[in-house]
Amino acid sequence: NAGVMQNPRHLVRRRGQEARLRCSPMKGHSHVYWYRQLPEEGLKFMVYLQKENIIDESGMPKERFSAEFPKEGPSILRIQQVVRGDSAAYFCASSPRTGGTQYFGPGTRLLVL
Amino acid sequence: QQPVQSPQAVILREGEDAVINCSSSKALYSVHWYRQKHGEAPVFLMILLKGGEQKGHDKISASFNEKKQQSSLYLTASQLSYSGTYFCGTEDTGNQFYFGTGTSLTVIP
Repeated sequence: NAGVMQNPRHLVRRRGQEARLRCSPMKGHSHVYWYRQLPEEGLKFMVYLQKENIIDESGMPKERFSAEFPKEGPSILRIQQVVRGDSAAYFCASSPRTGGTQYFGPGTRLLVL
Repeated sequence: QQPVQSPQAVILREGEDAVINCSSSKALYSVHWYRQKHGEAPVFLMILLKGGEQKGHDKISASFNEKKQQSSLYLTASQLSYSGTYFCGTEDTGNQFYFGTGTSLTVIP
């Protein structure tokens, strides 16, 4: 009865490197959401995906950020050429349906040096 | 579309009660409540599906006023373990989901 899995839990990158964050949804869930959270702030929506489709990416920065959720395998949030301002906790959540209860993974803490 | 929560922050002594409100500008289908402890992921507490529905979870309960597009979370006889940030999540009638602005709750001995 595995919950939402995210890896790595902690990621350190130098400016200019790439960061890849992975999210495996709960069994039976085909909807994945990615959020960013800065210290002492709320959850900021980034992107909503279903298998092989991006449904809503209105919260994603237009450059350097991309997300995918392939037919097989985890959802991936990719940040290219990271900058210090990308340092944050990135949470993914999965849901069995649109608008349904979202269950969160443990998050990936990204630190950009 | 982001629901507004009030208060933004509250400090309680153990045993005191608190109410957290969540208000949306859109017609709602459901309201969800989450709690996030410092350094951890948000944890789902409960969902309210019908107008006027009330639910309870230990000494934490919630109500949903569909007509007013509001929900309230009630924490009774608060414990130290209740400390954290509480988020409401609202699903509108178009199946759009939004998290609220958050309420920081601190319970002190």
